[in-house]
Amino acid sequence: NAGVTQTPKFQVLKTGQSMTLQCAQDMNHNSMYWYRQDPGMGLRLIYYSASEGTTDKGEVPNGYNVSRLNKREFSLRLESAAPSQTSVYFCASSDRLNEQFFGPGTRLTVL
Amino acid sequence: AQSVTQPDIHITVSEGASLELRCNYSYGATPYLFWYVQSPGQGLQLLLKYFSGDTLVQGIKGFEAEFKRSQSSFNLRKPSVHWSDAAEYFCAARNQAGTALIFGKGTTLSVSS
Repeated sequence: NAGVTQTPKFQVLKTGQSMTLQCAQDMNHNSMYWYRQDPGMGLRLIYYSASEGTTDKGEVPNGYNVSRLNKREFSLRLESAAPSQTSVYFCASSDRLNEQFFGPGTRLTVL
Repeated sequence: AQSVTQPDIHITVSEGASLELRCNYSYGATPYLFWYVQSPGQGLQLLLKYFSGDTLVQGIKGFEAEFKRSQSSFNLRKPSVHWSDAAEYFCAARNQAGTALIFGKGTTLSVSS
């Protein structure tokens, strides 16, 4: 039982490059989330998926797209990376009461 | 708009001393409240949660929190802090739609010897 896994752990991009962050959970949760964490800002919700086949914008969705591939997997895509997207990205999944379980994070630097 | 406020950005406590981290929420109905801890370079781990019932909830690692509706607060406490408790602590509340959590900006705890 691995919980929530994320790949990659670290990534360096140049401005304008694209990449996809992968997330998978093995807890059979319906809901999954993507957050970014910046110093002094706490966690801000980028997108979430309440169930397979649905996605919704969170607080800071601009510059990102998501795909809920199946119940287990929820990916986050940066189509054209910008330095402002330098951050630590966390994926989470939750049960119906919204107790969220977090992955270890991806540290992304955009030069 | 709903919000979760952690008034203290950084707190330093001596090892063995007691700890209280403050959290206030803005919410009309009975909130679902959480405290998470994040050690450096790690993800977030759930310490405890409150959904209903007894307003004093016990969590892992010797932490407890008390829900006070009259003060819209859910403060985290620990009677005796250990050096390993140094971390960042986040309070969170489920949003009214029940679709996501709203996080506070976090409180960084330093422990001095």
